[in-house]
Amino acid sequence: DAGITQSPRHKVTETGTPVTLRCHQTENHRYMYWYRQDPGHGLRLIHYSYGVKDTDKGEVSDGYSVSRSKTEDFLLTLESATSSQTSVYFCAIGSREIDTQYFGPGTRLTVL
Amino acid sequence: AQSVSQHNHHVILSEAASLELGCNYSYGGTVNLFWYVQYPGQHLQLLLKYFSGDPLVKGIKGFEAEFIKSKFSFNLRKPSVQWSDTAEYFCAVSPDGSSNTGKLIFGQGTTLQVKP
Repeated sequence: DAGITQSPRHKVTETGTPVTLRCHQTENHRYMYWYRQDPGHGLRLIHYSYGVKDTDKGEVSDGYSVSRSKTEDFLLTLESATSSQTSVYFCAIGSREIDTQYFGPGTRLTVL
Repeated sequence: AQSVSQHNHHVILSEAASLELGCNYSYGGTVNLFWYVQYPGQHLQLLLKYFSGDPLVKGIKGFEAEFIKSKFSFNLRKPSVQWSDTAEYFCAVSPDGSSNTGKLIFGQGTTLQVKP
């Protein structure tokens, strides 16, 4: 498996609180992605990064922000969590050399 | 808008039955195509991918997929399923063409349940 870890793996929080999810890679890949997985929707891209401090929006970016200050870390922040953000969040990494994306173990977030 | 459609949302098969999961995409340009599998409680793993060349691609665990450009389809097949194939299967498309470091568009997923 690719060297991708996500933390925390599970989190329960309340509506209106800020939440930060972390993705850490040991593969030195240039590209990193955040997806959310919801029943009936498959995986949908939230944000992605194509280098340190270079990020862009995905399909469902409203309510989320990201930061990438180091190659190995990609943070996803929910500034004020809502119940609609209850989901499983997956981080992925990719590069031209490997020509595919590899996924982390996921974070299950519940917003009450 | 670009989209990926998986026609079967939930498939139930007995062991040794043959499997075919449909995947269609709506994008007229060059695409890279993927099938991922997610076993219960685990992360997504790559089953197989198609970039160019032979439209019949073979992946891990006996799976294969056929790219039919005229039908915008990339169906997944396995001649004989096992109980251990119980999982959720996702078709994904990267419409970048020239590079696979771009975004992936996923289908809704198909849950496969194999009865022993």
